[in-house]
Amino acid sequence: DGGITQSPKYLFRKEGQNVTLSCEQNLNHDAMYWYRQDPGQGLRLIYYSQIVNDFQKGDIAEGYSVSREKKESFPLTVTSAQKNPTAFYLCASKTGPLEAFFGQGTRLTVV
Amino acid sequence: QQPVQSPQAVILREGEDAVINCSSSKALYSVHWYRQKHGEAPVFLMILLKGGEQKGHEKISASFNEKKQQSSLYLTASQLSYSGTYFCGTETPEGSQGNLIFGKGTKLSVKP
Repeated sequence: DGGITQSPKYLFRKEGQNVTLSCEQNLNHDAMYWYRQDPGQGLRLIYYSQIVNDFQKGDIAEGYSVSREKKESFPLTVTSAQKNPTAFYLCASKTGPLEAFFGQGTRLTVV
Repeated sequence: QQPVQSPQAVILREGEDAVINCSSSKALYSVHWYRQKHGEAPVFLMILLKGGEQKGHEKISASFNEKKQQSSLYLTASQLSYSGTYFCGTETPEGSQGNLIFGKGTKLSVKP
């Protein structure tokens, strides 16, 4: 089945630690996205990529980094510079003027 | 840069209708509509493109006023399953097919 897979579903981070969230799609989509969701804030764009080896910052990129070495994969690293990383993170992909498909999300908590 | 959605929340009885609005300060290439249940991934409802093309589910209707940079989602004869948070997402001509920005959402509750 084609789809977009995020892992892990739950992730705990200690203060000062970097963590990486995985996002893989087998839909052959060109564009991939990372969003952060906090209560009442909607979906805020962190980074997006339209092609391999290229990506752009979204509205809240500070404290995050990404890579796009393969079309199928778009991992997000939450660095120690992100002071309030506790949130629900959603990855999405799309191609052309068509709808975006979302993964099931990763809930990140700082402990 | 987020599009503005209104209302923020709405409560309906089964069978009632609702309209959710989305407006942008920028010229738009497309408007997307999604519904999200708590803790789940957003689910696609409708996409409206500049020029009038629409793609989506048969039971969902929406409008897109390109000049006013606004879109509205029409929910008729609501069912309990319509409950959730509705998000509009917008793409601008400059970032077409790339920069998909979402609003803060409209929480819809349908009561029996």
